[in-house]
Amino acid sequence: GQQLNQSPQSMFIQEGEDVSMNCTSSSIFNTWLWYKQDPGEGPVLLIALYKAGELTSNGRLTAQFGITRKDSFLNISASIPSDVGIYFCTPGTYKYIFGTGTRLKVLA
Amino acid sequence: DTAVSQTPKYLVTQMGNDKSIKCEQNLGHDTMYWYKQDSKKFLKIMFSYNNKELIINETVPNRFSPKSPDKAHLNLHINSLELGDSAVYFCASSQAALIAGRSYEQYFGPGTRLTVT
Repeated sequence: GQQLNQSPQSMFIQEGEDVSMNCTSSSIFNTWLWYKQDPGEGPVLLIALYKAGELTSNGRLTAQFGITRKDSFLNISASIPSDVGIYFCTPGTYKYIFGTGTRLKVLA
Repeated sequence: DTAVSQTPKYLVTQMGNDKSIKCEQNLGHDTMYWYKQDSKKFLKIMFSYNNKELIINETVPNRFSPKSPDKAHLNLHINSLELGDSAVYFCASSQAALIAGRSYEQYFGPGTRLTVT
């Protein structure tokens, strides 16, 4: 079935470093949403993208809607310990699918 | 006030038992969902209800039966529990049903960790 692959699967970074992750699909989508799941909690929406090529920021987070509409990217600048968690992408449409997740662990 | 709440938070039970998980949302949303998150943290849709009507029913064993008594509640009943049912189950809601070309933010509950022994 349809799968959204996220890369990297997991990463350890030093506090203060910038982080980049991406989400790729074999299908074209009209929207991309990024969610974050804190340990022991449910996912929470971080950023939503609605247009190919769109670049959107939310504090230290910046997300981009790939021009091919088959991918999306999320960057976190100056990471802090509370950035720990799992980041999921989803087209947020009737496909109801979530990406495989990027597990972020920050070393203080 | 909690937007999407689930009970119980933890559920430990033996194989063969029947159990239920309850979910309530106070956001006034029309659509509710059940997701399963496995040990690898993959999130997979199980069911979706829109205005108390089942609209999504993924390939889930028929031992799982959702019930929506009203728009604000979506419960999940599981019969004859198996070891492979051990997972975290998330309830979620959105303003309306996700449709092609239109997305809505989903609000997730805190999850129910089910352990079958």
